[in-house]
Amino acid sequence: DAGITQSPRHKVTETGTPVTLRCHQTENHRYMYWYRQDPGHGLRLIHYSYGVKDTDKGEVSDGYSVSRSKTEDFLLTLESATSSQTSVYFCAISDPPGGITDTQYFGPGTRLTVL
Amino acid sequence: AQSVAQPEDQVNVAEGNPLTVKCTYSVSGNPYLFWYVQYPNRGLQFLLKYITGDNLVKGSYGFEAEFNKSQTSFHLKKPSALVSDSALYFCAVRVLSNFGNEKLTFGTGTRLTIIP
Repeated sequence: DAGITQSPRHKVTETGTPVTLRCHQTENHRYMYWYRQDPGHGLRLIHYSYGVKDTDKGEVSDGYSVSRSKTEDFLLTLESATSSQTSVYFCAISDPPGGITDTQYFGPGTRLTVL
Repeated sequence: AQSVAQPEDQVNVAEGNPLTVKCTYSVSGNPYLFWYVQYPNRGLQFLLKYITGDNLVKGSYGFEAEFNKSQTSFHLKKPSALVSDSALYFCAVRVLSNFGNEKLTFGTGTRLTIIP
């Protein structure tokens, strides 16, 4: 999975609790992304980062926040988890467009269940 | 806005037969098109991409895809299907955003089942 790890791989939590998912890369790619995968929707972009401390919203960002304090780590936080956030979350990395590796490569995913 | 359509949720093909997984797209500007495959309980794996040049793109595991600008399509093909090709396939399109960043828009996926 292209030098990308996600932790935890599985998590069950209760409604209203905070949750943080971590994505760690060893490829030194500048861009990092968080997606969620749901049946019938494919993958939808939550947030992305184009550099340390540089982040922006994707199409389904409500209820999520992110932080990137160093190149290798990109954190996704659900401040107060809801059942609608039950999903599989994927992290991806890439070089900038036109870079050597401008294709996005994906991590193994985190399955989150909110009860 | 950019969008991708995969009109078939499920495709069944007999082993050894040719397979096609369909994808159509809508973008403003030149599209960059991708195919990914997802095996059970795994992340997405990159198969191939079209940026410019030859309309027929060859990728991993014997797959290829044909870019057709007039039909705005990018169908995935393989001449002879293997049981191990059974998986979920995603088409994606990319257009540079205002900040020059890369954003991918994915289709909803097509489940390919190869029947022995």
